[in-house]
Amino acid sequence: DAGVTQSPTHLIKTRGQQVTLRCSPISGHKSVSWYQQVLGQGPQFIFQYYEKEERGRGNFPDRFSARQFPNYSSELNVNALLLGDSALYLCASSLGSSGRRETQYFGPGTRLLVL
Amino acid sequence: GIQVEQSPPDLILQEGANSTLRCNFSDSVNNLQWFHQNPWGQLINLFYIPSGTKQNGRLSATTVATERYSLLYISSSQTTDSGVYFCAALDRGSTLGRLYFGRGTQLTVWP
Repeated sequence: DAGVTQSPTHLIKTRGQQVTLRCSPISGHKSVSWYQQVLGQGPQFIFQYYEKEERGRGNFPDRFSARQFPNYSSELNVNALLLGDSALYLCASSLGSSGRRETQYFGPGTRLLVL
Repeated sequence: GIQVEQSPPDLILQEGANSTLRCNFSDSVNNLQWFHQNPWGQLINLFYIPSGTKQNGRLSATTVATERYSLLYISSSQTTDSGVYFCAALDRGSTLGRLYFGRGTQLTVWP
């Protein structure tokens, strides 16, 4: 079975531009979460989606948005890119809505560099 | 949210040595996972262990939920064990599947 997939693997953008990152969860998983990992730190929670609804949002500005599609894949959009948005963006999938007593599985990530 | 602290921040070992990584968390948790992040950034699941002890080959983990800590044991280290090890916890009081990560332990195993 395929794991969590993300695209693209790498991306270079300039300040002010917009970017869209994509994630496909494990087959049968209905929940997708997005995390940002800057160099030297652990991943930080951005969003969780379940059944196309946003279940929660971390401490990120409104420039960050996301959505989940009927097939449970998800997109993360970041507008008006700043240098500080340079990071590894990770997508995680799990079976249900809360993640309680559920293992979350991570994709390989998208490395975003903002120049 | 809960605070997750990992120690030590860095660990350097020679191949064949054993090691113990520690994760402390500030509140009751529903979910505790250990991950290994490889040099390409992939987070690889090692254990889902909100309580108790589990073993998988040379790796084992123990979580003592009442004392709010978890330990990851690596025996007979190999160079392929190098990388960053993260623990992540889910707040027991939350309905959201939000994992809180520690800052990780950077493990380097020399041949």
